[in-house]
Amino acid sequence: EDQVTQSPEALRLQEGESSSLNCSYTVSGLRGLFWYRQDPGKGPEFLFTLYSAGEEKEKERLKATLTKKESFLHITAPKPEDSATYLCAVRSNSGNTPLVFGKGTRLSVIA
Amino acid sequence: DVKVTQSSRYLVKRTGEKVFLECVQDMDHENMFWYRQDPGLGLRLIYFSYDVKMKEKGDIPEGYSVSREKKERFSLILESASTNQTSMYLCASTWGFSGNTIYFGEGSWLTVV
Repeated sequence: EDQVTQSPEALRLQEGESSSLNCSYTVSGLRGLFWYRQDPGKGPEFLFTLYSAGEEKEKERLKATLTKKESFLHITAPKPEDSATYLCAVRSNSGNTPLVFGKGTRLSVIA
Repeated sequence: DVKVTQSSRYLVKRTGEKVFLECVQDMDHENMFWYRQDPGLGLRLIYFSYDVKMKEKGDIPEGYSVSREKKERFSLILESASTNQTSMYLCASTWGFSGNTIYFGEGSWLTVV
């Protein structure tokens, strides 16, 4: 069974204090690992897809990396507007499988 | 830009009522999904569809049904709403079953009283 575990559940940072969010996964064969951002009361907004170990992607202050067992979302010099819940999900390559989500990391950035 | 539109953002329904949640996507996506999201439980898959008139059960299909009569529209039906179905419901869509991005709607907040 595909599983995704995100840590920490919640993270509080001062503005400018860089950190990383972790997503550990087990999947029969990885078709893609996805990162989403979700603001309160809204649907998840797509950030990145990673397909293979060693791959990295960047967008503004965010950088996602992937190994064979986990992915990290690095946040460099965060700002208060980066406060949100960050969701990680995987899709396996076994048949018609949908995304399996982790429970998310709730990030608060304090000015 | 891909747009996934959920027709109702906020609904309040009575126990026992039949509830329809509608979702429309404008990118000719084959695959559509319904999730519910609850605090501490994350997103859980209710049903998905990979073609018109096709449907597959997700992790928590009990108490729900779906309809996909047209490619762009995927409806979630609560035959007899109960208070434990109070939740945020999210519709999503994507093309194919590779690693293509899955896009979400804004969500529908359902309260059953």
